[in-house]
Amino acid sequence: DSGVTQTPKHLITATGQRVTLRCSPRSGDLSVYWYQQSLDQGLQFLIQYYNGEERAKGNILERFSAQQFPDLHSELNLSSLELGDSALYFCASSVDRDRVPIEAFFGQGTRLTVV
Amino acid sequence: DQQVKQNSPSLSVQEGRISILNCDYTNSMFDYFLWYKKYPAEGPTFLISISSIKDKNEDGRFTVFLNKSAKHLSLHIVPSQPGDSAVYFCARNTPLVFGKGTRLSVIA
Repeated sequence: DSGVTQTPKHLITATGQRVTLRCSPRSGDLSVYWYQQSLDQGLQFLIQYYNGEERAKGNILERFSAQQFPDLHSELNLSSLELGDSALYFCASSVDRDRVPIEAFFGQGTRLTVV
Repeated sequence: DQQVKQNSPSLSVQEGRISILNCDYTNSMFDYFLWYKKYPAEGPTFLISISSIKDKNEDGRFTVFLNKSAKHLSLHIVPSQPGDSAVYFCARNTPLVFGKGTRLSVIA
């Protein structure tokens, strides 16, 4: 158990819909990362938050957005869903010593299926 | 821009032998490289890291080597065990950007 909790574990929704994925980081971790894993695409970095503020942005579509709340949990919002958005979405958290992440701990992922 | 590249999608090794997983990078601005292991239906788990100021870091059966002039790093697993069969990702910080992974199969 990494200490990172993601909900829900599975999600099936229709094209055009909007969903929210939730992540609770490990106790004490200030950074939260979101990743997308599609077939054969590895782990695509989407976005990072540090203590409530956006720190880095990767290949995140404009239809996607995220935020980190004062209690440090994070949500990833995916809207106008397309079939190609079907993937595993992982959240990770890290403590960031001196603002540098040495390692990150991953949740079990949310499997999103768009039909 | 794929900053971290793992050019071998898969590798098969016999139990007891050495497994060598490779990773190339393009951007020299980093603090650490990290290796993660991932089993199916689970999140990746941290394995070992190396600081940019070091050439080698060892932890039990796992050793990571960093060749800065070649912009190359490798993970050595000795001896390889069937339980090591998984997908291995290298990553650089900051933020954590991953390669596409190499699937290691250790054959008993």
